[in-house]
Amino acid sequence: QVQLVQSGAEVKKPGASVKVSCQASGYSFPTYYIHWVRQAPGQGLEWMGIVNPTRNSTTYEQKFQGRVTMTRDTSTTTVYMELSSLRSEDTAIYYCARGGLAEEIDYWGQGTLVTVSS
Amino acid sequence: DIQMTQSPSSVSASVGDRVTITCRASQYISNWLAWYQQKPGKAPTLLIYATSNLQSGVPSRFSGSGSGTHFTLTISGLQPEDFATYYCQQAKDFFFTFGGGTKVEIE
Repeated sequence: QVQLVQSGAEVKKPGASVKVSCQASGYSFPTYYIHWVRQAPGQGLEWMGIVNPTRNSTTYEQKFQGRVTMTRDTSTTTVYMELSSLRSEDTAIYYCARGGLAEEIDYWGQGTLVTVSS
Repeated sequence: DIQMTQSPSSVSASVGDRVTITCRASQYISNWLAWYQQKPGKAPTLLIYATSNLQSGVPSRFSGSGSGTHFTLTISGLQPEDFATYYCQQAKDFFFTFGGGTKVEIE
């Protein structure tokens, strides 16, 4: 069965960086894109970007350009999302999710809570 | 950027009711529209993709329709497990956007 297992919760100070991992299993890793979506406390879903596991190419939401880096390691079927220059507004649950073949998002990780606090 | 406007932001309903949620895109997105359900403390789950296709395992009381810029999610015969927040999502030109969400609450 398809599984996306994310790394554990993080607490960071303003200005620091955080790197969240997402290990995929149960399907052909190169075939499906991986999205990153975040959700601030009590708020809606916000799309951050997408990575092509085959080519390691990425597309980022403009809001995060220059601060986010998404990468993948095909040997461990793991995708990473690094967000730098953290501020309190970045406190959120960060989800990795698999992109389906009709531009939907069909499987989600369990989420990683990132707390930014001095 | 394409904006997705969902309405209403919340709705109160009873078990057995028919509930309709609307999502409007700021630009033409063909049929690249999906719907998700999210329960408190859980990751979202996919309900419908490409406007009207039911994801495997999703009950048939959920249906989607629309095209272009106007889309709807209908729940026919609301069940207790359907009380949750629902999001639409567009995918045009490989940029994705979510609607603001609709919370379906017990009346």
